[in-house]
Amino acid sequence: AQKVTQAQTEISVVEKEDVTLDCVYETRDTTYYLFWYKQPPSGELVFLIRRNSFDEQNEISGRYSWNFQKSTSSFNFTITASQVVDSAVYFCALRRPGGYQKVTFGTGTKLQVIP
Amino acid sequence: GAGVSQSPRYKVAKRGQDVALRCDPISGHVSLFWYQQALGQGPEFLTYFQNEAQLDKSGLPSDRFFAERPEGSVSTLKIQRTQQEDSAVYLCASSAPGVDLSGANVLTFGAGSRLTVL
Repeated sequence: AQKVTQAQTEISVVEKEDVTLDCVYETRDTTYYLFWYKQPPSGELVFLIRRNSFDEQNEISGRYSWNFQKSTSSFNFTITASQVVDSAVYFCALRRPGGYQKVTFGTGTKLQVIP
Repeated sequence: GAGVSQSPRYKVAKRGQDVALRCDPISGHVSLFWYQQALGQGPEFLTYFQNEAQLDKSGLPSDRFFAERPEGSVSTLKIQRTQQEDSAVYLCASSAPGVDLSGANVLTFGAGSRLTVL
């Protein structure tokens, strides 16, 4: 069985602060994929990043960075110098490789950036 | 179209009514998923189509839920005799044909249909 845990239900930060969203996953597979999605108030889930289990190199994209640690089954997401537009619910997700596999989502972390 | 389109965006139903939710995926996308998202929760898988074939319906919560995709493009999720516990946002997602080099195609989601059952 696959499981994704996002222990932080809600986080509030002041604009320009850095914030890290935690994600811990469980899987028996040796190969798997991890994702982060953003869900703004409009409701549409927006893809942010996909990472496969073979690649533990951390990734940076602008103000966003991701720290994948296989040893602790964690895939944390950091926003540097947060902005009001970052306010949203962020979901971490997990799936198996292959042509079709359903995605298992965490319960999400609601981030509020206060101006 | 440019994205995944869902309608209606909002639906209020009286308990016991039937509802139909429509999903128009990105043109050419073979795979189509339906997810249910309860308030404050993450999306939960309902069902999956590859073209017109429904390959997995293990997530449908009861036999009151039915999904179809007769021509391999537009899909409809139907809920019969709605109950209050059916209140949720229903998300549709599609992905491109085949398997990309990563082995895990990215899903493109619609904005969802918010169902409220009174």
